[in-house]
Amino acid sequence: NAGVTQTPKFQVLKTGQSMTLQCAQDMNHEYMSWYRQDPGMGLRLIHYSVGAGITDQGEVPNGYNVSRSTTEDFPLRLLSAAPSQTSVYFCATSSVGRASTTGELFFGEGSRLTVL
Amino acid sequence: KNQVEQSPQSLIILEGKNCTLQCNYTVSPFSNLRWYKQDTGRGPVSLTIMTFSENTKSNGRYTATLDADTKQSSLHITASQLSDSASYICVVNEGNDMRFGAGTRLTVKP
Repeated sequence: NAGVTQTPKFQVLKTGQSMTLQCAQDMNHEYMSWYRQDPGMGLRLIHYSVGAGITDQGEVPNGYNVSRSTTEDFPLRLLSAAPSQTSVYFCATSSVGRASTTGELFFGEGSRLTVL
Repeated sequence: KNQVEQSPQSLIILEGKNCTLQCNYTVSPFSNLRWYKQDTGRGPVSLTIMTFSENTKSNGRYTATLDADTKQSSLHITASQLSDSASYICVVNEGNDMRFGAGTRLTVKP
């Protein structure tokens, strides 16, 4: 039982390149989300999904795209990487949604992205 | 200004000692407050969840307290161990959104 799996763990890009961060979960959770974590700041929500075929924007969605074709997978795409997107990215899932008192967020191990 | 402020930013203590981490928030409406532990290079892991009606919640050597009137929470760690070295993140639910503090970096030295 792997939980939440993120790949790659590390990536270096040049400005303007595109890439996809992968997130896969085997907990059958409907809710999946992407956060970025920057030094001195709290985690910030990029995009989220409440089920297959449904996605919505979070606090900092610009420069990122997502899709949710299956319950298990929620990839995050950077269309044209910029140095401001250098960060650590976390995928998180929940069985009942992020705001629920009874629900719990389960985080992946993170993907460290550097854009030169 | 972040709606969830944590203090101190970093803390160094000796193994076996106790410590208390602080979280002040201005989030409203408030539904629940969580504390997470994040080891270096890992994702955050939940320690406690408290609703506005709960004053305290324990998880082993970790005890979280909440004062909804003053909008303050604390995380007390008893008899610290080397494995407690991590960042501790306070998260407050504002309606359907979660507001994350920047965390307190705790280092436990032998």
